[in-house]
Amino acid sequence: NAGVMQNPRHLVRRRGQEARLRCSPMKGHSHVYWYRQLPEEGLKFMVYLQKENIIDESGMPKERFSAEFPKEGPSILRIQQVVRGDSAAYFCASSPTGGPVNTEAFFGQGTRLTVV
Amino acid sequence: AQSVTQLDSHVSVSEGTPVLLRCNYSSSYSPSLFWYVQHPNKGLQLLLKYTSAATLVKGINGFEAEFKKSETSFHLTKPSAHMSDAAEYFCVAPDSNYQLIWGAGTKLIIKP
Repeated sequence: NAGVMQNPRHLVRRRGQEARLRCSPMKGHSHVYWYRQLPEEGLKFMVYLQKENIIDESGMPKERFSAEFPKEGPSILRIQQVVRGDSAAYFCASSPTGGPVNTEAFFGQGTRLTVV
Repeated sequence: AQSVTQLDSHVSVSEGTPVLLRCNYSSSYSPSLFWYVQHPNKGLQLLLKYTSAATLVKGINGFEAEFKKSETSFHLTKPSAHMSDAAEYFCVAPDSNYQLIWGAGTKLIIKP
């Protein structure tokens, strides 16, 4: 059973370009969470999705950021018109049910976004 | 609001000596607490989880943590450090059923 797969592992974008980060949850997991880790900081919650639904996006910036988890395929975190401050590691986690408090959430290896 | 404070950004110990990584929390949510480990260029791995069943929690790789409600602490310990323990460790508390609040991390350095 493969773990949570994120790709790409590293992504370099110029200011103003779009960044697309993909996350394939573990088999059988229908709950996905995205976190952002800025340098020298812990992870910060961004968004919680179930298949075809955004449950909580309270941690996501109101502009330029969007997330989806379609019925088929991976979850996508999309950042439009990237700026230098978007440079960070973005982690995806998945769990089979509920949330990471009651069931273990498994994390991917992260995508390290660098905006130049 | 929930908060998690890891008291040391870096901890350096010699191989074979004890490890202590300190964590204090404030939480009005259910007292579940976690420690995660992040090895260089690797993903995050759950080290151990406290869920109020027992105050002393044993995790993987010989690590354990003790929940002390009176001190609002959840320090991570290991009797004898190995070189392979060099990594960054995160103390984590829930803010809801699905939101996790992360400490800033402690980098553990193992000296030969």
